Formats: sequence, structure tokens, C-alpha cells
Amino acid sequence: DGGITQSPKYLFRKEGQNVTLSCEQNLNHDAMYWYRQDPGQGLRLIYYSQIVNDFQKGDIAEGYSVSREKKESFPLTVTSAQKNPTAFYLCASSMTDLYEQYFGPGTRLTVT
Amino acid sequence: EDQVTQSPEALRLQEGESSSLNCSYTVSGLRGLFWYRQDPGKGPEFLFTLYSAGEEKEKERLKATLTKKESFLHITAPKPEDSATYLCAVQLPGGNNNDMRFGAGTRLTVKP
Repeated sequence: DGGITQSPKYLFRKEGQNVTLSCEQNLNHDAMYWYRQDPGQGLRLIYYSQIVNDFQKGDIAEGYSVSREKKESFPLTVTSAQKNPTAFYLCASSMTDLYEQYFGPGTRLTVT
Repeated sequence: EDQVTQSPEALRLQEGESSSLNCSYTVSGLRGLFWYRQDPGKGPEFLFTLYSAGEEKEKERLKATLTKKESFLHITAPKPEDSATYLCAVQLPGGNNNDMRFGAGTRLTVKP
């Protein structure tokens, strides 16, 4: 079964700690994306990657970091520099940047 | 500024009561418009892509249409299982090929 997996589904952290969210896809897609979703707002792009070992900042990259060492994997690290990290995080992938994006199930991060 | 606005924010229908959701955009040179369905606590599920004014796509009780300034998602004889938040996204023109703007969504509730 092809798809995108994100883990964990729920994540709780104390303020000041870095945390890494996992995203894996077996769709053989080149492009991968990280979005943040807050209540009442549209999805906002954090980072994207069109190819292995290359990634670009999105609209709200401050306080986040990513890596793309393998085509299948695009982990996101939420650092202690992110001022409001509590949110629902969505990973997506697409064949190229011109096609529809397919989303994972999301990770809900709560930082207290 | 490029904007994507969805209306209404919330819509309550009786089972069988047809209606339409709106997605208006202020983008010139649209590359593509996408519709997604999102259930609570889950990632968005891809529904349709529309590329040019006049284009229509259908899937079961859903039909998406596109004009130069807006898109409609028509729901014919909805059932309770159609209850979800419907998101639209617009792919912007320009050098940044991964530039997508998401609307905040319409939360649809269908009562039996």
C-alpha cells in the first residue's frame, strides 16, 4: 500500500526542548513538504524539498529545520527557537511541484 | 497580495439538501486549483485539480467548477458521511514552483 506515514500521531514536549517529527513516503515522489495548520487558518508552508539533499524555506521557516538524505524521508525538527510550536503538522509529497500533493495523517504537537 | 478566501466558514445541511461551497482567489496567472477534504484530526485527502476556466470535474456527489476568479464545489444530495472540512488551494505562478496558498476551509455538517 503506497502512502505517507507520520509519527508519532501525538507528541508532547516541554518548552525549550527540540523535537523531531518523522515523515516517510513510498510513493516514489520527488517533492516533499511540511505544513503547519492552526485553527481558522489555511495551511502554511514551513519547508519543501524537490530533490534529495536540497530543500528550501517556505513562508514560516523560522525556528524549524529539515533534512532530506533519502528520497523517502523528510524529517522536521521543531527547535526551541520556534515561539509558538503547538500546532498540527502535516507532511505532503507530490510527483513534481506541478502536481497535486498527497498528505500524511499529521502529528499534533503540544508544547507546555 | 495573493489571497484565497473560502465561504461560508461553516455550512449545515439536511441530508439530501444540495448546496455549493465557494473558493475565490485574487491570483493572476493561476497554475492550478486543488480541492481537498479533511476529516477532524486527519490529513487532507485530495479530491480534484482544475487548471483552466470552464473546466469541471466530478466524483460521486461532488462536482468542482472553475472560473477566472473562483471555484465552486457543488454537493448534490449530500449524506452524513460527506461531513468534513473542504479546503481549496491555489498554485501561484512565478519562480517559486512550490508556492501554494490554502484557504481556511469550509466546515460542512450534513444532518440525517
